[in-house]
Amino acid sequence: KQEVTQIPAALSVPEGENLVLNCSFTDSAIYNLQWFRQDPGKGLTSLLLIQSSQREQTSGRLNASLDKSSGRSTLYIAASQPGDSATYLCAVRPAGNQFYFGTGTSLTVIP
Amino acid sequence: SQTIHQWPATLVQPVGSPLSLECTVEGTSNPNLYWYRQAAGRGLQLLFYSIGIGQISSEVPQNLSASRPQDRQFILSSKKLLLSDSGFYLCAYRAGGSTDTQYFGPGTRLTVL
Repeated sequence: KQEVTQIPAALSVPEGENLVLNCSFTDSAIYNLQWFRQDPGKGLTSLLLIQSSQREQTSGRLNASLDKSSGRSTLYIAASQPGDSATYLCAVRPAGNQFYFGTGTSLTVIP
Repeated sequence: SQTIHQWPATLVQPVGSPLSLECTVEGTSNPNLYWYRQAAGRGLQLLFYSIGIGQISSEVPQNLSASRPQDRQFILSSKKLLLSDSGFYLCAYRAGGSTDTQYFGPGTRLTVL
């Protein structure tokens, strides 16, 4: 069964710093990987989706990379802002209809 | 545009009472629909998913059930709630085809007392 791990569980950085969030998965046979943001008490908001054939995706200050063979993905956030404070989750989809989620990284950006 | 609705937003129920949570999707046809539960300090647990009307796959055996009476409606139910059913319930859909992104509703916070 696919297992997804996110390290660290929590991260606190000063405003303006660049940071990297990590996601690892045990089975490299995935169809795609998706990064989400979740604010407290809210649903998940999709940030980036990387297909298995892609190496990276970018949206504004966010850049997600995928190394399928090693079972790893990173989410790079440039010039962090207090509004970036949230929990970030990654999810992988093998062939089929299910998604497997990590437990998330709680990010706090200190003004 | 595509939109996903969930209600109620919050719910407090006594142990042993029934449950009905509803999720509806707008702006897409024949979506894959999902119910997840997020317990405090834990990741998302997939409960059910559906690829079409009346087609439900259960991932976790428990006292919950799901139904899909219409293409864009997904209902989560229980006949008798347990304390362990407390959590944050999230509905999601995937439009499929060239769009593989999963979109989530605002969630329902359920507290069982």
